[in-house]
Amino acid sequence: EAGVTQFPSHSVIEKGQTVTLRCDPISGHDNLYWYRRVMGKEIKFLLHFVKESKQDESGMPNNRFLAERTGGTYSTLKVQPAELEDSGVYFCASSRYSATGELFFGEGSRLTVL
Amino acid sequence: AQKVTQAQTEISVVEKEDVTLDCVYETRDTTYYLFWYKQPPSGELVFLIRRNSFDEQNEISGRYSWNFQKSTSSFNFTITASQVVDSAVYFCALSGGNAGNMLTFGGGTRLMVKP
Repeated sequence: EAGVTQFPSHSVIEKGQTVTLRCDPISGHDNLYWYRRVMGKEIKFLLHFVKESKQDESGMPNNRFLAERTGGTYSTLKVQPAELEDSGVYFCASSRYSATGELFFGEGSRLTVL
Repeated sequence: AQKVTQAQTEISVVEKEDVTLDCVYETRDTTYYLFWYKQPPSGELVFLIRRNSFDEQNEISGRYSWNFQKSTSSFNFTITASQVVDSAVYFCALSGGNAGNMLTFGGGTRLMVKP
């Protein structure tokens, strides 16, 4: 069974540019989560999808971040325009159940904004 | 508000030594879940264990063991006879009973096991 895959593994962009991160969850997992770790800080929750619906987006930092999950399969997280403080590692995770089940994480997408 | 504290940012041991990673948490929820994740050099977070707040039994899985003590709000992780392959960053995390899988992570402890 394939794990959670994320693309790209590393992206370097300039301030003001746009970046789109993609996450493919484990097949059959309705729940998809985005987390991020900015330099020197804890891993923080961004949002939670159940199928194609946003269940909880309380962790999204501002309206420069847009997450979608069309068709309830893969998800994208777009940052537009990117700022320096957006640099960090963006993790995607999926789970079959939402009630504190086990989360399967991807390897993360490292974003560097210059 | 929930908070997880991993006071040890980095630990270095020699192979075959035992090592304990500390985790202290804060929550107002009466029902909650505690987790440990391992992050090897490849980057992904690997699930190790989940405990719920009503189960204070210690757990052992091979060389790994976990000590959950509600009285001190701690959920410590011990690796017995450490190996080089145990080198990784370890994260403790907490979720409230009604928060689904929204995890609050600690800052992580980097464990280096030297041969």
